[in-house]
Amino acid sequence: KAGVTQTPRYLIKTRGQQVTLSCSPISGHRSVSWYQQTPGQGLQFLFEYFSETQRNKGNFPGRFSGRQFSNSRSEMNVSTLELGDSALYLCASSSLEGRNEQFFGPGTRLTVL
Amino acid sequence: AQTVTQSQPEMSVQEAETVTLSCTYDTSENNYYLFWYKQPPSRQMILVIRQEAYKQQNATENRFSVNFQKAAKSFSLKISDSQLGDTAMYFCAFMTGQGAQKLVFGQGTRLTINP
Repeated sequence: KAGVTQTPRYLIKTRGQQVTLSCSPISGHRSVSWYQQTPGQGLQFLFEYFSETQRNKGNFPGRFSGRQFSNSRSEMNVSTLELGDSALYLCASSSLEGRNEQFFGPGTRLTVL
Repeated sequence: AQTVTQSQPEMSVQEAETVTLSCTYDTSENNYYLFWYKQPPSRQMILVIRQEAYKQQNATENRFSVNFQKAAKSFSLKISDSQLGDTAMYFCAFMTGQGAQKLVFGQGTRLTINP
């Protein structure tokens, strides 16, 4: 099976802009979770989607949002970008069948100037 | 809220040596899962090993094994016969058994294997 894919891999934006990141899970996986990784805060959970519904949300402002499509692909959106949003955004998918294992994509490196 | 603590920011060992990475966690739950993930310089997060809290037997995956002490809330990773390719950041992570696909990560340990 193909792994989790994320696009784009790199992105440069300026403050105030918005950005959309995409994640395609492993075939058959219906749960997609998003994480933000920064040197200062480490890895932090953003949200999880299952069957097109947000099931869990981390402690991030409303500028961070997401959605999931019927084919389980997910997008996350960050509006009104701030310098502190510069990070590696990781997506992970899970089949939810017993083992509770999450498989991660390669990440999208977002730089906000 | 659950927390995960990795007290060793950096470690360095010689190739072929054995190294142990420490992790402690805090939770009031009885059913949960613990994981070790490896993140090499490529930044790809790779699952190394998984432990279910209700299982007393320590998980093992080839050269990787854990020492799971539930009462002490400790979950250390032992890497035997370390290889240059083991050089990476290692993250300990916690997930509740309630079905929520939310990992809580420790701050990570940067492991360097020297030739």
